[in-house]
Amino acid sequence: DSGVTQTPKHLITATGQRVTLRCSPRSGDLSVYWYQQSLDQGLQFLIQYYNGEERAKGNILERFSAQQFPDLHSELNLSSLELGDSALYFCASSEGDPGGELFFGEGSRLTVL
Amino acid sequence: AQSVTQLGSHVSVSEGALVLLRCNYSSSVPPYLFWYVQYPNQGLQLLLKYTSAATLVKGINGFEAEFKKSETSFHLTKPSAHMSDAAEYFCAVAGNQFYFGTGTSLTVIP
Repeated sequence: DSGVTQTPKHLITATGQRVTLRCSPRSGDLSVYWYQQSLDQGLQFLIQYYNGEERAKGNILERFSAQQFPDLHSELNLSSLELGDSALYFCASSEGDPGGELFFGEGSRLTVL
Repeated sequence: AQSVTQLGSHVSVSEGALVLLRCNYSSSVPPYLFWYVQYPNQGLQLLLKYTSAATLVKGINGFEAEFKKSETSFHLTKPSAHMSDAAEYFCAVAGNQFYFGTGTSLTVIP
């Protein structure tokens, strides 16, 4: 158990819909990362937050947004969903220090029909 | 800029044989290097981490990796493969951000 909790574990929805994925980081970790993993694109970095502030942005679509709340949990919002958004979405957390390892959650599997 | 390249997206070994998964890094500063493993339908787990304390790093499940600055490599090895080692393996380099390789799928043949 990494200590990182993601909900929901599975989600099935239709094209055009909006979903929210939630992540609770490990106790004490200030930094949260979001990744998308699909068969054709591998593990793609989406966005990173540190103590409530956006720190880095990767290949995140404009239809996607995220935030980190004062209690340090984070949410990833995916809107106007397309078939191609079907993927595993991982949250990871770290203390935030350079070189610190990431601890991954079990992921949220999104299926868009 | 920092990056890692994993050579070989698929590796097959026989049970009991040596496992060698290759990773080369690019970094303008002394790197922090990691190997993660992902079992089916699970998140990534840390196997081992290099932070300049020692060039040979031992990890969990009998895996180890050697940092070679002259070759900019951080290859992962295990002397004897076990069926339970079948998984996806990711190399990563970290500075201000984490950069993951494209992964290597390890198949162990009984």
